[in-house]
Amino acid sequence: GAGVSQSPRYKVAKRGQDVALRCDPISGHVSLFWYQQALGQGPEFLTYFQNEAQLDKSGLPSDRFFAERPEGSVSTLKIQRTQQEDSAVYLCASSLAQLGLEGPYNEQFFGPGTRLTVL
Amino acid sequence: KNEVEQSPQNLTAQEGEFITINCSYSVGISALHWLQQHPGGGIVSLFMLSSGKKKHGRLIATINIQEKHSSLHITASHPRDSAVYICAVRSYNTDKLIFGTGTRLQVFP
Repeated sequence: GAGVSQSPRYKVAKRGQDVALRCDPISGHVSLFWYQQALGQGPEFLTYFQNEAQLDKSGLPSDRFFAERPEGSVSTLKIQRTQQEDSAVYLCASSLAQLGLEGPYNEQFFGPGTRLTVL
Repeated sequence: KNEVEQSPQNLTAQEGEFITINCSYSVGISALHWLQQHPGGGIVSLFMLSSGKKKHGRLIATINIQEKHSSLHITASHPRDSAVYICAVRSYNTDKLIFGTGTRLQVFP
């Protein structure tokens, strides 16, 4: 299909390990978002890219979290020295629109998420 | 206080019942989204609206911008409607979504 894909779907890490989560957005989508969803909670914004530029990283909880989108398509969210509180589902979404444009192009399409469990 | 509040948190219904889920928000928005999340994490966008009312099949979404309130209605509910329904708003000048905590709906046959 042509939807947003994420890998791996499930990741178990020992505390202190580094992890890398991948997001493949819909081809041609300009905007890419990462969200963190703790168990029983709604998703929370982590960071936003417009093409390769990271325009907003205000939601990243600590400097252990790092995201990149070097060629403006695939994005990787890296978490260094994982802690138990990092356990969550990490969701990626993409949209066609550039920041500030109105209309249906702003609709965000979500990937299936990566469930990270830190032991 | 959360910027996006949903009620109820949990909802059970018998098949065929009319369902209403409410969402209130406290920030200025450019759009409001209703999302459906099934077990396993996948999120599907149901509606994106900035005024009035939208209908898709058995689903109806309304928004009152002045009152900062939106409702999602499901007519003739079915067990396959069982999921978590999440309200999310997009604030002015940013595409960042602010999410409610979701309403867990279970529809029994």
